[in-house]
Amino acid sequence: EPEVTQTPSHQVTQMGQEVILRCVPISNHLYFYWYRQILGQKVEFLVSFYNNEISEKSEIFDDQFSVERPDGSNFTLKIRSTKLEDSAMYFCASRRGEPYEQYFGPGTRLTVT
Amino acid sequence: AQTVTQSQPEMSVQEAETVTLSCTYDTSENNYYLFWYKQPPSRQMILVIRQEAYKQQNATENRFSVNFQKAAKSFSLKISDSQLGDTAMYFCAPTTSGTYKYIFGTGTRLKVLA
Repeated sequence: EPEVTQTPSHQVTQMGQEVILRCVPISNHLYFYWYRQILGQKVEFLVSFYNNEISEKSEIFDDQFSVERPDGSNFTLKIRSTKLEDSAMYFCASRRGEPYEQYFGPGTRLTVT
Repeated sequence: AQTVTQSQPEMSVQEAETVTLSCTYDTSENNYYLFWYKQPPSRQMILVIRQEAYKQQNATENRFSVNFQKAAKSFSLKISDSQLGDTAMYFCAPTTSGTYKYIFGTGTRLKVLA
């Protein structure tokens, strides 16, 4: 069964460093999302992406964040200068279209020290 | 949907018993979708069940069913014949229109007791 994959599973970085989180969505999916979950808290929407552009972003998704689909398979989230409060689990999700359920990757745990 | 409330932070149920998790939400939209996701300790988000708001019939998926009350903006999840593997965090997630992003509730931590 097709699945969303994410790499790395765990990333440790120092404050101020750039990180790139990678996702490979399900191959025939057209809509892509990033969410994050700070430990013990709810899952929060960051950004949605369709047709090679951002379709919606949340207040969390400021200028330090960017997304890209550099080829036909990868979908990346970049944080330019990490802060301690960026420590969280980051989930990538994708959906085909209708129906509207999203399929989630296993997440990347980002730890900023 | 802008806010989602899951009023039960933690629940426990005996194995083989039935448990209901509640969810209410706030939306001004008419056409939307609602989902329940399960998050076990591995933190993987697993789809449990889906409901289309335009459908009056409540969705059922094996031991999982929902009670969808559109006017009351309520979307509860019933788990029948609870199993130890059902132990997890459960999130209610209605979509918005447009991008159909999810708005997650704060979750209910369910523990199934042997």
